[in-house]
Amino acid sequence: EAGVTQFPSHSVIEKGQTVTLRCDPISGHDNLYWYRRVMGKEIKFLLHFVKESKQDESGMPNNRFLAERTGGTYSTLKVQPAELEDSGVYFCASSQLPGHPADFGTEAFFGQGTRLTVV
Amino acid sequence: LAKTTQPISMDSYEGQEVNITCSHNNIATNDYITWYQQFPSQGPRFIIQGYKTKVTNEVASLFIPADRKSSTLSLPRVSLSDTAVYYCLVGGEGFKTIFGAGTRLFVKA
Repeated sequence: EAGVTQFPSHSVIEKGQTVTLRCDPISGHDNLYWYRRVMGKEIKFLLHFVKESKQDESGMPNNRFLAERTGGTYSTLKVQPAELEDSGVYFCASSQLPGHPADFGTEAFFGQGTRLTVV
Repeated sequence: LAKTTQPISMDSYEGQEVNITCSHNNIATNDYITWYQQFPSQGPRFIIQGYKTKVTNEVASLFIPADRKSSTLSLPRVSLSDTAVYYCLVGGEGFKTIFGAGTRLFVKA
């Protein structure tokens, strides 16, 4: 069974440009999460989808970030326009059960991440 | 949200048992303790989860004392491939996760 896949694995863009990250969750997983690690800091939550609906987007840093999950399958995270401080690694995760990755029985499966560098 | 404290790094040699302790003094009654492992250029991977006493799976053991204010991840006979960052997570605030800095384990030959 394929795991969570993210594309691209690396992206280097100039400040002001737009970048779209994609995440394909494990088939059948209704819950999809986006996280990021910026500048070597801790991994932080961005948002959570349940199917195509945004359950919680309180971690989104500002309105330059837009996440979508049309049809409840794959998800995209668009950054427009990108700023230098957006550089980091963006992780996607999916789970069958809704909840925090530390909740009982909620095993979250993470993708390998997309390393975004804004220059 | 229960805050966790772990050692920043640990060194070990192949074949040794490694114990990584995590402190979580403010753990809530319904919080579980979960450990994730992250290799370079990969996302975190679930290792083990427990509530109290001891849990063991094919990868590791998790020891949780009665007061649940700490937990210890035990990796038996580590190999070079166990070099990774290990995160201790406790509970959650809604669907948010704070992984913390984790413990960077370096296994030497």
